[in-house]
Amino acid sequence: AQKITQTQPGMFVQEKEAVTLDCTYDTSDPSYGLFWYKQPSSGEMIFLIYQGSYDQQNATEGRYSLNFQKARKSANLVISASQLGDSAMYFCAMREGGDYKLSFGAGTTVTVRA
Amino acid sequence: GAVVSQHPSWVICKSGTSVKIECRSLDFQATTMFWYRQFPKQSLMLMATSNEGSKATYEQGVEKDKFLINHASLTLSTLTVTSAHPEDSSFYICSAFSGDRGNTEAFFGQGTRLTVV
Repeated sequence: AQKITQTQPGMFVQEKEAVTLDCTYDTSDPSYGLFWYKQPSSGEMIFLIYQGSYDQQNATEGRYSLNFQKARKSANLVISASQLGDSAMYFCAMREGGDYKLSFGAGTTVTVRA
Repeated sequence: GAVVSQHPSWVICKSGTSVKIECRSLDFQATTMFWYRQFPKQSLMLMATSNEGSKATYEQGVEKDKFLINHASLTLSTLTVTSAHPEDSSFYICSAFSGDRGNTEAFFGQGTRLTVV
């Protein structure tokens, strides 16, 4: 079974608008961590934000915020005030328990239009 | 932040030859590193977990004799693609967690684009 599901293969967003990228996860381990990474065409993986399963508040990092709904097992990424440089592929990932290997979703390609 | 350096960034090799890719943690010690493979427009798939001083743990379906992993020190893991074939052409990327950062961020190398001709 897929551990991380990203259902949006591609999205277009207007510059300065907000965009929400969906991510749902599946795990039976009560301790887990959720990550979002940005991958531009260069291939590098850029860390955006992290949410731990026991964190009480939704994570925020600058223009990035994570809408963590534990009961629904969703961890959507919200990018506010989109910029042209935000055009990239975005991956949701999870690690479970004491293991540090990451399971990745299929990714969502975001294209920001001027 | 913590830095992971991967070398080379890209390599072209002839079919049947072997290629070694290095992954170094520059400012932290990494007892465990991970190797991923990514085909164009697809997700990252974990190939193996590299453990310092012991054998690597391979994911199901990954040939351990083809993808040799050595983790001889706390800052260096290497992936050798042996007897490479065109179907091995892919983007290979390594990662490690830094305990100093509370293990809340996996640091990735720059990745290696391998083309086998």
